[in-house]
Amino acid sequence: GDSVTQMEGPVTLSEEAFLTINCTYTATGYPSLFWYVQYPGEGLQLLLKATKADDKGSNKGFEATYRKETTSFHLEKGSVQVSDSAVYFCALSVAAGLSGYSTLTFGKGTMLLVSP
Amino acid sequence: DAGVTQSPTHLIKTRGQQVTLRCSPKSGHDTVSWYQQALGQGPQFIFQYYEEEERQRGNFPDRFSGHQFPNYSSELNVNALLLGDSALYLCASSPLDRNTEAFFGQGTRLTVV
Repeated sequence: GDSVTQMEGPVTLSEEAFLTINCTYTATGYPSLFWYVQYPGEGLQLLLKATKADDKGSNKGFEATYRKETTSFHLEKGSVQVSDSAVYFCALSVAAGLSGYSTLTFGKGTMLLVSP
Repeated sequence: DAGVTQSPTHLIKTRGQQVTLRCSPKSGHDTVSWYQQALGQGPQFIFQYYEEEERQRGNFPDRFSGHQFPNYSSELNVNALLLGDSALYLCASSPLDRNTEAFFGQGTRLTVV
């Protein structure tokens, strides 16, 4: 079945450090890939997405490139801020059925802690 | 736009009881999915509703059931609650024409004691 594997956290960084959170996937079809962020006590917010190989998703200084050859979608940010502290989830979605509806398969999440 | 709204925000139930959680999708969205997020884990797909029918279902027992109303809002029902049902329950909505992008609500925190 479909699955997503993320690096375990917590990832602890100082402000302005470079961030990488690794994500690899296994899928039977041609998935779209997503990064969601969850702040303490809140639901999930879509951070960025990529729908086909070699696409780069970007938002708020975060970016990730869909690498089909390595089945990866690593999240990067050049300079993190304290406000980036949250849990980050990598997810995939494979369209299913004639009407194209789909569901999300999530990784276990990676907690990011940024100190001043 | 109110986004995806869920109620209640927190709930405490006793083992063996039944619970109903509610979700109103984002304006313009007609597909609703429910997820269970155990503490320290990623969300797990429970089921998805479109046109008032269950379209897909994850690996959850029949104790978990749902409903979608003509206004696209949805309910999640869990019968015979177990301690292991304690989790954050998330509702996500999406428009059918962009079905791979889901917007999530804040969730309902269910504690079973």
